[in-house]
Amino acid sequence: QITLKESGPTLVKPTQTLTLTCAFSGFSLTTNDVGVGWIRQPPGRALEWLALIYWDDDERLRPSLRTRFSVTKDTSKNQVVLTMTDMDPIDTATYYCARTIYSSGNSFDFWGQGILVTVSS
Amino acid sequence: DIQMTQSPSSVSASVGDRVTITCRARQTINSWLAWYQQKPGKAPKLLINGASTLQSGVPSRFSGSGSGTDFTLTINNLQPEDFATYYCQQTYTFPPTFGQGTKVEIK
Repeated sequence: QITLKESGPTLVKPTQTLTLTCAFSGFSLTTNDVGVGWIRQPPGRALEWLALIYWDDDERLRPSLRTRFSVTKDTSKNQVVLTMTDMDPIDTATYYCARTIYSSGNSFDFWGQGILVTVSS
Repeated sequence: DIQMTQSPSSVSASVGDRVTITCRARQTINSWLAWYQQKPGKAPKLLINGASTLQSGVPSRFSGSGSGTDFTLTINNLQPEDFATYYCQQTYTFPPTFGQGTKVEIK
């Protein structure tokens, strides 16, 4: 059974750094073809892809956010970490992590439940 | 970025109806398109990949078609559990981009 779960703070102040952790089970990020991505959704709005890291350490970041975001993996813990600097109220959203299979394109077949992060002073 | 445009933004339908949702890409994406279903407060669920390949466990009343720039998600015999918001996503190139969503509401 494949599961993913996001964790981290649900309230951050503007300019602070946000670190979100995705803990997953049922698959490994050492397996060829596997990746974990991050997608966010502002309240009442559409989905926005943020970042993705593959089994071979290839990292992809949303170009417009590249200077603020980073993504890392810890295969021993089955975790992927998204770090976002200089948070702004516009970053308020539900953040999801999800699994992708490279050869199937960049669709996401299993998702975490999401974590709502509010940016406010 | 490849812009994805869905239409309509919302549709009212009754149980048993057929619903068609369209997704258009600004440039060709071949068949690299996925469809998701999202219910309020829940994560999206992958329904279709590769424009027309149904994910395991997805009811056969869902179908996808299209290639190039124009794609369609069809729901036949709409069921109560199908009332949700549907998103398309191009999986052709980075960054992956989503449509703005289509809400299927109860008439």
